[in-house]
Amino acid sequence: NAGVTQTPKFQVLKTGQSMTLQCAQDMNHEYMSWYRQDPGMGLRLIHYSVGAGITDQGEVPNGYNVSRSTTEDFPLRLLSAAPSQTSVYFCASRLLGSPLHFGNGTRLTVT
Amino acid sequence: AQSVTQPDIHITVSEGASLELRCNYSYGATPYLFWYVQSPGQGLQLLLKYFSGDTLVQGIKGFEAEFKRSQSSFNLRKPSVHWSDAAEYFCAVGAKETSYDKVIFGPGTSLSVIP
Repeated sequence: NAGVTQTPKFQVLKTGQSMTLQCAQDMNHEYMSWYRQDPGMGLRLIHYSVGAGITDQGEVPNGYNVSRSTTEDFPLRLLSAAPSQTSVYFCASRLLGSPLHFGNGTRLTVT
Repeated sequence: AQSVTQPDIHITVSEGASLELRCNYSYGATPYLFWYVQSPGQGLQLLLKYFSGDTLVQGIKGFEAEFKRSQSSFNLRKPSVHWSDAAEYFCAVGAKETSYDKVIFGPGTSLSVIP
């Protein structure tokens, strides 16, 4: 049982480049979400989904897109990377009303 | 909308001393509450959770937390801190009433332990 798998672990982008952070879970969780973690800010919710085909914005959605075509996958897209998006990104999933299971994170640097 | 505050950005305690980390939340309906811990360079680990019932909940590593609805608080406690408890601690609140709930985190409290 792999849990929540995030790829890549590290990424360096130039300003304006696009990329997709991958997240997959094998626990049949309805709920999936993306957070970014910055020093002194805790984890801030970017986008979340309560099932395939359903997504909603979190606290800091600007500059990020998501889709949920399957229960297992919830990719996060950066359309035009900016230095302000330098952060550690965590994907998390759960059964509704249960605690979150986190992936190991992706450390993104935008130069 | 939910929100979480953790008034203490950084706390330093001596090994063996007791610990209390504060967490206050704002949410219009019945919340469910969590504490997570993150060791340096690591991911997040669930310490404990409150959904309903007994307002004093026990977690892993000897931690406990008490839900006080009147104070909108969910403070984390440990009677005797170990050096390995040095980490970042995050309080989180989720909505309990609907399917479209989301989990919001506080800014975290960094704990240092003096040997």
